[in-house]
Amino acid sequence: QKEVEQNSGPLSVPEGAIASLNCTYSDRGSQSFFWYRQYSGKSPELIMFIYSNGDKEDGRFTAQLNKASQYVSLLIRDSQPSDSATYLCAVEAAGNKLTFGGGTRVLVKP
Amino acid sequence: ETGVTQTPRHLVMGMTNKKSLKCEQHLGHNAMYWYKQSAKKPLELMFVYSLEERVENNSVPSRFSPECPNSSHLFLHLHTLQPEDSALYLCASSQHLNNQPQHFGDGTRLSIL
Repeated sequence: QKEVEQNSGPLSVPEGAIASLNCTYSDRGSQSFFWYRQYSGKSPELIMFIYSNGDKEDGRFTAQLNKASQYVSLLIRDSQPSDSATYLCAVEAAGNKLTFGGGTRVLVKP
Repeated sequence: ETGVTQTPRHLVMGMTNKKSLKCEQHLGHNAMYWYKQSAKKPLELMFVYSLEERVENNSVPSRFSPECPNSSHLFLHLHTLQPEDSALYLCASSQHLNNQPQHFGDGTRLSIL
């Protein structure tokens, strides 16, 4: 059983629309949740982190955490072609080990 | 420019060679990490160091040997690698171990012939 699961995509989104990415995790003791963006051939870049249930907004990005349902999501508003990338969900579980999902590939079409 | 620098960016080596990957962080962080990223697979944590002490060895084969001489530098020594070890090797650092965002270097693309 995968510890952190993401739909691999690609998620195709028209320019200007909202992209919605979901991530589920198996460890109920998880405390920290991160979203990274990775362009092809590049390293992961931190976008957001969230520790508490609810929403956290940063610019066009909103992270949503629901610990009871064990999911964390990322919304990208007003999607731009430059948002086309793979988005990695990472969850810090027991023992300080950061576990990554396989990533969701997002394609924003002009 | 990232605060985490990895060298070399690309490395091609034979299975009998010995090489080392280097990582340097300029962020004043206390924790450093090695990850492996293979095609079609999630990022895999290999090693974790906190204040130069190894705190995690994630069932990595002994042909990979990490070294952390100080909190700013991290090495991954490679010997007798296998073709399946070809991957992108990423170094990351964080302020501390617990609940901290990690910042990644650009990685070393390793190809084993």
